[in-house]
Amino acid sequence: NAGVTQTPKFQVLKTGQSMTLQCAQDMNHNSMYWYRQDPGMGLRLIYYSASEGTTDKGEVPNGYNVSRLNKREFSLRLESAAPSQTSVYFCASTKERGTAKNIQYFGAGTRLSVL
Amino acid sequence: GENVEQHPSTLSVQEGDSAVIKCTYSDSASNYFPWYKQELGKGPQLIIDIRSNVGEKKDQRIAVTLNKTAKHFSLHITETQPEDSAVYFCAASLRGSQGNLIFGKGTKLSVKP
Repeated sequence: NAGVTQTPKFQVLKTGQSMTLQCAQDMNHNSMYWYRQDPGMGLRLIYYSASEGTTDKGEVPNGYNVSRLNKREFSLRLESAAPSQTSVYFCASTKERGTAKNIQYFGAGTRLSVL
Repeated sequence: GENVEQHPSTLSVQEGDSAVIKCTYSDSASNYFPWYKQELGKGPQLIIDIRSNVGEKKDQRIAVTLNKTAKHFSLHITETQPEDSAVYFCAASLRGSQGNLIFGKGTKLSVKP
């Protein structure tokens, strides 16, 4: 039972390079999320997708784009990486966003360093 | 918008003692309050949650209490064990925003053998 799978686990980029972080879930969940985690800052929402075909900005969307490729996959793209985007990125999914019980299941994270 | 404050940022206890982590939220419309545990190198995992129509919930050594009037909720861990060492996050969900979770900044709990 894989749950939420993120690739890659680690990545080092140079300033200005681009890359895409991949996320896939096998739980038939409708909603998916991308967070970044920085020391002392907790988890901050970058973008989310309430359902297949829709995406919306979260708290810190600048510098990122997302694609909900299908119900299973939700990717995060950095078009021109900056050192401020050095962080740990987590993908999460939930069955039904907006219900009273909104359990989010997280992947293991992608550790990104931008030099 | 909603804001969640979490205290303390670090907590060190002896094995067998109790640990308490507290969170406050700003929006009285929030109605769902989960707690997540994050072990080193892993993603957060839900350990317990509570809805706004319940004041307390227990699951073995873990309990959560909610005070809607004061807008605060707490995680209680009794008989702590070294494997409880982790970072704990509280969160609040606002029905009006269709279920997005707002997280606290986390508490690093260390349980000393």
